[in-house]
Amino acid sequence: GEDVEQSLFLSVREGDSSVINCTYTDSSSTYLYWYKQEPGAGLQLLTYIFSNMDMKQDQRLTVLLNKKDKHLSLRIADTQTGDSAIYFCAEIPPGAGSYQLTFGKGTKLSVIP
Amino acid sequence: EPEVTQTPSHQVTQMGQEVILRCVPISNHLYFYWYRQILGQKVEFLVSFYNNEISEKSEIFDDQFSVERPDGSNFTLKIRSTKLEDSAMYFCASSESRFATADTQYFGPGTRLTVL
Repeated sequence: GEDVEQSLFLSVREGDSSVINCTYTDSSSTYLYWYKQEPGAGLQLLTYIFSNMDMKQDQRLTVLLNKKDKHLSLRIADTQTGDSAIYFCAEIPPGAGSYQLTFGKGTKLSVIP
Repeated sequence: EPEVTQTPSHQVTQMGQEVILRCVPISNHLYFYWYRQILGQKVEFLVSFYNNEISEKSEIFDDQFSVERPDGSNFTLKIRSTKLEDSAMYFCASSESRFATADTQYFGPGTRLTVL
């Protein structure tokens, strides 16, 4: 089966780094995603990582994948007030014809000025 | 930049009434999806649609739900007889292909459905 777990809240000071963590249970998942949801808006794809990678960096974002522990993290460097949002970890579980995203509950990031 | 749009942004209805939620996917996309998010809970997959038929559906997507692509641009979700527990944010998404890649699914801003 598949299940994605995240902590619900994270609060950081502006300029600090934020680390949002996620665990998933389906070790066969090949694609893992981070989506961002700002208030009143839809889900915006932030970044993704393939399971054959350990790390991916994209400007202020760093994704780390530990397949052994089924742990995914998103690090935001120099966090800004505009980064305040809900961040969702998501996977597409393997299976014939299965292209449905499975999401975590989301982590609400609050950035204190 | 192309985007998925949804209307209305907020729909209020009485229990037992039919509602139709509308989506305009990105124009060159071929695969379409509906998800929902009950307040405080996870975003859940409802259904995927390709070539004018349902590709996959979840347990949530029972006989009260239907989807349609009535013309070349719109994609709709119909709930025939709404229940209180249908109150949620409904997200439409679309993708160019069905192979999981970085740009697999683009989401719309959602329609908040409130059933009274």
